[in-house]
Amino acid sequence: QSVLTQPPSVSGAPGQRVTISCTGSTSNLGAGYDVHWYQQLPGTAPKLLIYGDNNRPSGVPDRFSGSKSGTSASLAITGLQAEDEANYYCQSYDGSLGGSGVFGGGTKLTVL
Amino acid sequence: EVQLVESGGGLVQPGRSLRLSCIASGFTFDDYGMHWVRQTPGKGLEWVSGITWNSGYIVYADSVKGRFTISRDNAKNSLYLQMNSLRVEDTAFYYCAKDIGRKFYYMDVWGKGTTVTVSS
Repeated sequence: QSVLTQPPSVSGAPGQRVTISCTGSTSNLGAGYDVHWYQQLPGTAPKLLIYGDNNRPSGVPDRFSGSKSGTSASLAITGLQAEDEANYYCQSYDGSLGGSGVFGGGTKLTVL
Repeated sequence: EVQLVESGGGLVQPGRSLRLSCIASGFTFDDYGMHWVRQTPGKGLEWVSGITWNSGYIVYADSVKGRFTISRDNAKNSLYLQMNSLRVEDTAFYYCAKDIGRKFYYMDVWGKGTTVTVSS
């Protein structure tokens, strides 16, 4: 059971908008730790998608955006494309665990 | 090109030890914190351990505390994970990842990983 909770799966048609939630607690997201998002395509290593709650690394399309409020965070993907089909993970740190890193359980995005 | 290459994985019996290595290139290794992250087959990511740029602060996941030891040799641009008392549940794909800063923030570069299988 992951410290950060994500829905196991979401889906959407090409062109649509989907959101993926990441729910934490007062010892991680609610304690002021930033949330970061990673995209993992099948058979590849994770790739940084969003950092510091809502910042995109260079090269990541502006179709991807992040937000955080209190103990929850969200990743939004607009203009869904077939190539977005992947697993998405949120990540932060947890003060009650000695500052150890924590990941969400991951969300499989299916583009219909 | 910034690159991380893991090695040292393999098949090992429960209770035995294994040492993973990660060689970094393309960046100033001793300027950055480093992490080990693992992924069980078909499952999600699990953060295993992190070490700051100068080894001054080290953190472990509860699942490996007391059994795994992370270390680094900045002169050799290398990160290590000594895994002792291995359990079946340690079977996973292990990634080495670079932090964006000297301590722990987010991971901006990942290696391709190495497989560890713990089985009798």
